[in-house]
Amino acid sequence: SQTIHQWPATLVQPVGSPLSLECTVEGTSNPNLYWYRQAAGRGLQLLFYSVGIGQISSEVPQNLSASRPQDRQFILSSKKLLLSDSGFYLCAWSVRGVNTEAFFGQGTRLTVV
Amino acid sequence: SQKIEQNSEALNIQEGKTATLTCNYTNYSPAYLQWYRQDPGRGPVFLLLIRENEKEKRKERLKVTFDTTLKQSLFHITASQPADSATYLCALGETGTASKLTFGTGTRLQVTL
Repeated sequence: SQTIHQWPATLVQPVGSPLSLECTVEGTSNPNLYWYRQAAGRGLQLLFYSVGIGQISSEVPQNLSASRPQDRQFILSSKKLLLSDSGFYLCAWSVRGVNTEAFFGQGTRLTVV
Repeated sequence: SQKIEQNSEALNIQEGKTATLTCNYTNYSPAYLQWYRQDPGRGPVFLLLIRENEKEKRKERLKVTFDTTLKQSLFHITASQPADSATYLCALGETGTASKLTFGTGTRLQVTL
């Protein structure tokens, strides 16, 4: 069966520090991968998506970047965090080429102080 | 601009009653629509998908309707239980390899004894 791992679960980082969140998927190949952010009381905002290794599409301009070094690995990064980067970050995957559901990781609660 | 509206106020339902949640959208022509459940501090979990050419979908105690003329989806939980208490998100999907989803802000359902 397929599983998605996302870590860490919680993170407190000072303003100006770097960020690296990692997500890996098991039990499937060639998945679509996504990074979402959920601010308090708000819906999920799609930040990045990827349909293949090295292929990254950004949905909103921001202080973050994403990379997909391997087929089932998706990384969210920042060189210098801002207070506004605080939020709940979710990684997700879906089967490529078929419009079906997305499977989400457990999320990372990031607090920038 | 595209907009997805879900009732931001919590819905309080007595156990055994039917809960009905609404998702309205504007400036959007989705190929499909999905409903997810999200518990506090967790990632969303997929519940149901309905395509643009479908009027209704059922799964156990869940029922979803999709009216592309009204630009509205209704999500019903029959015989509601306290365990159904959670936030429910609707998401609109577009055709394409990336299968991107745009989420509403969600409605919190509270089922009481």
